[in-house]
Parts: sequence; structure tokens; C-alpha cells
Amino acid sequence: DVKVTQSSRYLVKRTGEKVFLECVQDMDHENMFWYRQDPGLGLRLIYFSYDVKMKEKGDIPEGYSVSREKKERFSLILESASTNQTSMYLCASSFMETQYFGPGTRLLVL
Amino acid sequence: ELKVEQNPLFLSMQEGKNYTIYCNYSTTSDRLYWYRQDPGKSLESLFVLLSNGAVKQEGRLMASLDTKARLSTLHITAAVHDLSATYFCAAQDYGQNFVFGPGTRLSVLP
Repeated sequence: DVKVTQSSRYLVKRTGEKVFLECVQDMDHENMFWYRQDPGLGLRLIYFSYDVKMKEKGDIPEGYSVSREKKERFSLILESASTNQTSMYLCASSFMETQYFGPGTRLLVL
Repeated sequence: ELKVEQNPLFLSMQEGKNYTIYCNYSTTSDRLYWYRQDPGKSLESLFVLLSNGAVKQEGRLMASLDTKARLSTLHITAAVHDLSATYFCAAQDYGQNFVFGPGTRLSVLP
């Protein structure tokens, strides 16, 4: 079975802190994605990566950056956390047409 | 820009009844995906529809795709409580991004 893991299920941070969210997949997938999920808005794409050291902006990249130094790991970075970044963050990897999602990280920024 | 809408956003139905969830998308896309999300959990892939007229069935759920109408449907037959969840559709644009609808929250009542 494909496994996508995220480093934390719940995270509480203060405004202005730098936040790292880690995602690891074990199936050698080339494509990886970071989404945020907010009630009534569905999932919105923040960044995606189709290869090591490659990244593309999604619909809402402002306030975020990403890093993909190894194929299995895709990190989302909040440079200076703000309260409007309180959300559920979902990582996914994909092979051909199927996306596999991690369990999500619920981030609260105070 | 690809946009995806779902209708209805909330659905409360009795066990044993049939109902359909609709997913419309705004620009050409020949790939449509359906996911299920249980409360507090991540997304689970249900169906991948890759061509016009595609129909897939799993248990009490059947999904179809009409690319000319830019419409996909998820039909629920003889609903049971275990189907209570939020259902998302997503279309894939030519940049390989997955664009999600807002989700349909389904409650099946005894």
C-alpha cells in the first residue's frame, strides 16, 4: 500500500514563527502536492513538485515556500506564520491518475 | 482557469433512498476524480474517470462523466449510514493540477 505520512497531526504556533510541515511518501512518486483545506472552500493547491528540486506555484502560494531535496520528501514552509494560515494542510503524492493523501496536519496559529 | 462546482453542498437523506451529487467544471478537462473524506480523516480516492461516457461503480456508488456537458455525477443507490461523509470531485487541468470542488457533506439518516 502507498503510504503518505505527515510529520504532525496537530500543531500550535505563534504569529511570526517559522513553521515546517514535512511530508514523506514511500512509493517513489514523482509528483507531490501541498493543499490547504478550509470549510466551504474545498482543497486549494499551494505548491506542487514534479521532480526533485522542481516546484510550481499553485493557486495560493503567498506566504508559503516549499523544498524538495529528495524524491520522497516534500516540505511546506510558512516563513512567518499568520492567523489566516490556520487551516488543515494536506499533502499528496500521485502516480499517473491517482492521488494518495496523507492524514493531514491541523495547524493553529495564535 | 479551471473551476469546479458541486451541488448540493449539503445533503441529508434517509437510508434506502437514492440521490445524485453533481459536479460541474468550467473548462475542458477529460479527467475527473471523486474522493471521500470522513470527519477528521484524510481523502480517499473513490473513482477516476478518464474519458467521455466513463462509468464506474463500487458498491452503492456509481460515477459517470460527460465531458461535453462538463458534468460528472455521483449516484447513490439505497443509501446506508456508512456512506455518511464529505464527497469531493476534482478535475485535472492541462498543467496536471487537481482542482477540487467545495465538497458535498452527506448525512444518511436511519
